[in-house]
Amino acid sequence: DAKTTQPPSMDCAEGRAANLPCNHSTISGNEYVYWYRQIHSQGPQYIIHGLKNNETNEMASLIITEDRKSSTLILPHATLRDTAVYYCIVRVNTGNQFYFGTGTSLTVIP
Amino acid sequence: DAGITQSPRYKITETGRQVTLMCHQTWSHSYMFWYRQDLGHGLRLIYYSAAADITDKGEVPDGYVVSRSKTENFPLTLESATRSQTSVYFCASGPGQDNGYTFGSGTRLTVV
Repeated sequence: DAKTTQPPSMDCAEGRAANLPCNHSTISGNEYVYWYRQIHSQGPQYIIHGLKNNETNEMASLIITEDRKSSTLILPHATLRDTAVYYCIVRVNTGNQFYFGTGTSLTVIP
Repeated sequence: DAGITQSPRYKITETGRQVTLMCHQTWSHSYMFWYRQDLGHGLRLIYYSAAADITDKGEVPDGYVVSRSKTENFPLTLESATRSQTSVYFCASGPGQDNGYTFGSGTRLTVV
């Protein structure tokens, strides 16, 4: 039970911002939202996570709605190397494990 | 070098054989995980560990055994390999339950 809903695929032009949405309407008050990505054949790579405030790091920004029912991962200037499957994950509060859904396959187009 | 390493990278084994996949991390992270990834199923959690000598089942633990006698190592054993266990196996580690985790490069296991 991934507890998140993401579009299966998206395209983005190189150099433009990529905005990847995620719905997590059943999120609990103490559950964080995490984003990972997986480039073909590689292990997943941690991108960012947040609880209720917006977060930014060197890779991306995470915008979480006030009701925490959805979030958006923003890659400010997408490059071809950002082509990957992006997973939005909410950690279940009954354990410490992450459950990965099917993610969004992002293709950055030259 | 600091990091998380999995071995072997590739393994072919026969049905019924026991096989162990190794995972080693150099950060002394408390948490370690084993996932398998199959087409159509995405990443599924097999087992995880919150500390040395503490392990717990994930979504798909049947047919697998883990141990964590040392913080840095988290081996995964298939006691009697089956063709359905053909998959790519990823190990991950992290410092705390609210932090991001770092994944290894994976082991591609084929059971024939």
